[in-house]
Amino acid sequence: DVKVTQSSRYLVKRTGEKVFLECVQDMDHENMFWYRQDPGLGLRLIYFSYDVKMKEKGDIPEGYSVSREKKERFSLILESASTNQTSMYLCASIMTSGYNEQFFGPGTRLTVL
Amino acid sequence: GQQVMQIPQYQHVQEGEDFTTYCNSSTTLSNIQWYKQRPGGHPVFLIQLVKSGEVKKQKRLTFQFGEAKKNSSLHITATQTTDVGTYFCAGPHTGAGSYQLTFGKGTKLSVIP
Repeated sequence: DVKVTQSSRYLVKRTGEKVFLECVQDMDHENMFWYRQDPGLGLRLIYFSYDVKMKEKGDIPEGYSVSREKKERFSLILESASTNQTSMYLCASIMTSGYNEQFFGPGTRLTVL
Repeated sequence: GQQVMQIPQYQHVQEGEDFTTYCNSSTTLSNIQWYKQRPGGHPVFLIQLVKSGEVKKQKRLTFQFGEAKKNSSLHITATQTTDVGTYFCAGPHTGAGSYQLTFGKGTKLSVIP
């Protein structure tokens, strides 16, 4: 079974702190994604990566950056956390054959005080 | 940009009643995917539809893809409490090799025992 893990289930940070969210997948997937999920807004794509060291902006990249140094690991970075970045963050990876279904991690609920 | 709209946003049903959620895209889709997110969980892939007019069934769930490949529906017959959750449709971005998905905002289903 594909497994996507995220470093923390819950995280509380203070405004202005630098925040790292880590995501690891164990199925050698090339494409990985970071979403944020907010009530009434659904899933919104922040960034994605289609290969090591490659990244593309999604729909809401402002205030975020990403890093993909190894194929299995995709990190989301909040350079200076703000209260409006309080949200559920979901990482996903995708098979590039067959159904192209996205496999999601369990999510990190981030609260910025 | 591409938009995927989903209605209704919320649906409360008595256990045993049927439920339907509808998905409409602003552009023609090569395929459409459906995901389910249980309360406190992460989205899990249910199915992908590819062909115009396609109908697929999974036990009490029936998925349809419209003839014009711009709309889709998910119908649950005789809902059970295990059906509770948020159902998302998602369509791929256009462009060769693109594995990005645009998600609808989801329909949150509550089932009253």
